[in-house]
Amino acid sequence: NAGVTQTPKFQVLKTGQSMTLQCAQDMNHEYMSWYRQDPGMGLRLIHYSVGAGITDQGEVPNGYNVSRSTTEDFPLRLLSAAPSQTSVYFCASSYSFGYGYTFGSGTRLTVV
Amino acid sequence: TQLLEQSPQFLSIQEGENLTVYCNSSSVFSSLQWYRQEPGEGPVLLVTVVTGGEVKKLKRLTFQFGDARKDSSLHITAAQPGDTGLYLCAGSFGNQGGKLIFGQGTELSVKP
Repeated sequence: NAGVTQTPKFQVLKTGQSMTLQCAQDMNHEYMSWYRQDPGMGLRLIHYSVGAGITDQGEVPNGYNVSRSTTEDFPLRLLSAAPSQTSVYFCASSYSFGYGYTFGSGTRLTVV
Repeated sequence: TQLLEQSPQFLSIQEGENLTVYCNSSSVFSSLQWYRQEPGEGPVLLVTVVTGGEVKKLKRLTFQFGDARKDSSLHITAAQPGDTGLYLCAGSFGNQGGKLIFGQGTELSVKP
């Protein structure tokens, strides 16, 4: 049982490049979310999904796109990377309302 | 915009002491969760509370949910060095069950 798998674990991008952070879960969870974590700021919600085909914006959605074509996968796309997007990104999933989230191990992204 | 305020932001105590961490919002939580995070890893769920006045215990950790569902506390009895880590509260509001917002976190250091 793999849980929530994030790839890659580390990535360095140049300003203006685009990339996709991958997230997959094998627990048949309906809810999936993407967060970024910066020093002293806790976790901030970027986008979330309550089921396949349904996505919505979180607290800091600008510069990021998501889609949810299957229950298992929830990729996060950076359209044109900026140094302000240097952060640690976490993907998480949950069975439903009132249930806790399972987090992936994170992707550490540096934009130079 | 729902905002979670967590306090204190930093806490450094000696082994054996007791401590309490607080989580407050101006809005009513539909559910509230507490997580613990260690360096380099994703947050791990400690507890979920949904009912006003609810109290849950997890070994030396006691979690309380306010009667009005606008506040919560985490109390640790006789802290140990192994309790060191980042403690995060997170809540959902109204019917936005898939939108989980985190507080800034409390960095706890327990010295032997």
